[in-house]
Amino acid sequence: GDSVTQMEGPVTLSEEAFLTINCTYTATGYPSLFWYVQYPGEGLQLLLKATKADDKGSNKGFEATYRKETTSFHLEKGSVQVSDSAVYFCALSDQAGTALIFGKGTTLSVSS
Amino acid sequence: KAGVTQTPRYLIKTRGQQVTLSCSPISGHRSVSWYQQTPGQGLQFLFEYFSETQRNKGNFPGRFSGRQFSNSRSEMNVSTLELGDSALYLCASSLNPDSTGELFFGEGSRLTVL
Repeated sequence: GDSVTQMEGPVTLSEEAFLTINCTYTATGYPSLFWYVQYPGEGLQLLLKATKADDKGSNKGFEATYRKETTSFHLEKGSVQVSDSAVYFCALSDQAGTALIFGKGTTLSVSS
Repeated sequence: KAGVTQTPRYLIKTRGQQVTLSCSPISGHRSVSWYQQTPGQGLQFLFEYFSETQRNKGNFPGRFSGRQFSNSRSEMNVSTLELGDSALYLCASSLNPDSTGELFFGEGSRLTVL
């Protein structure tokens, strides 16, 4: 079945460092891909999405490009801030509706 | 605009009991889905409701059930609780089922089964 694999955490960075969180997927069709973020004490929030190959999703300085050839959707940010400390989830949807398949999540900790 | 509201936020039950969790979606959102979050399995889809009808169901036993009311509010029920049902149960709402993946999550109901 469909699945999402993302790098294990925690990821610990200093402020202004470059961030990459790897995400790869397995799907039989042509899924839509998402990154969700969970800040401490808050609910999951959609960070960005891409619905077809070569699409780039971006938001709040974060970017991810849908790479069909490598089945990947890696999350990147050029300069992280302390406020980016959170758990990041990669997810896919291969059908209309709200049934997402999530990765296990990657905890990011940014120190000043 | 109020977000997704889940009640109760925390609860403790014993094995064999049943539990009902409630979810009020964002005003105007008509689709509600439920997820279970555990440290071992991560986030897993339970079911999705739209217009009071279950549209999709994840791979969970029949002890897990849900429903949606005419005002889009939803409840989920777990009967004959097992220790492994201890988890954070998350509700998410979206405008409609075609809002693929664009979900708004509540903070969850944390269930502990003793």
